Amino acid sequence: DAKTTQPPSMDCAEGRAANLPCNHSTISGNEYVYWYRQIHSQGPQYIIHGLKNNETNEMASLIITEDRKSSTLILPHATLRDTAVYYCIVSNRDDKIIFGKGTRLHILP
Amino acid sequence: DVKVTQSSRYLVKRTGEKVFLECVQDMDHENMFWYRQDPGLGLRLIYFSYDVKMKEKGDIPEGYSVSREKKERFSLILESASTNQTSMYLCASRTLRNSPLHFGNGTRLTVT
Repeated sequence: DAKTTQPPSMDCAEGRAANLPCNHSTISGNEYVYWYRQIHSQGPQYIIHGLKNNETNEMASLIITEDRKSSTLILPHATLRDTAVYYCIVSNRDDKIIFGKGTRLHILP
Repeated sequence: DVKVTQSSRYLVKRTGEKVFLECVQDMDHENMFWYRQDPGLGLRLIYFSYDVKMKEKGDIPEGYSVSREKKERFSLILESASTNQTSMYLCASRTLRNSPLHFGNGTRLTVT
């Protein structure tokens, strides 16, 4: 079973920040949080990952709570091309990487 | 850029056929993975491999086997294809533990 919980869908207006939440209350100390997204008919694409500090790259920011039990992916200025399914994953100690069902993000024009 | 290439984008096979799905990565990655994706079920892990000649079962290995004779190539084998194996198959690779996965674009397999 996936070790994360995400809302099944979210809407965001174009140009606004999209904030996608993820709960991972059973995360262990050496597990990372990863975010991927999948645009229709393509393989998932890596976005960002982190251990405990907040991270930012050219695509997004990742905010991890101090207790590490949840995180938020932030797309600062959402565009129609950000419409996709977003997956939050925590890495497993025996290297199984289990995907949940993700959040389907709709960007509204 | 890492490239993960799956040999076929679309494949149609008959029930009972032996089917090979091939995946090749060009970045000397140790770990490789096979997933299948079905509507409403998300991505499910079939098999993965830490390195050459190594393999581990994922969550749904039944009806599948794998082969990793060379580091860059990870093959998924359906010994006797069945209609319930109609699905999108995705291959991924990564280097060390706790590094990101890189995915291919998938093979859509239809078994009739």
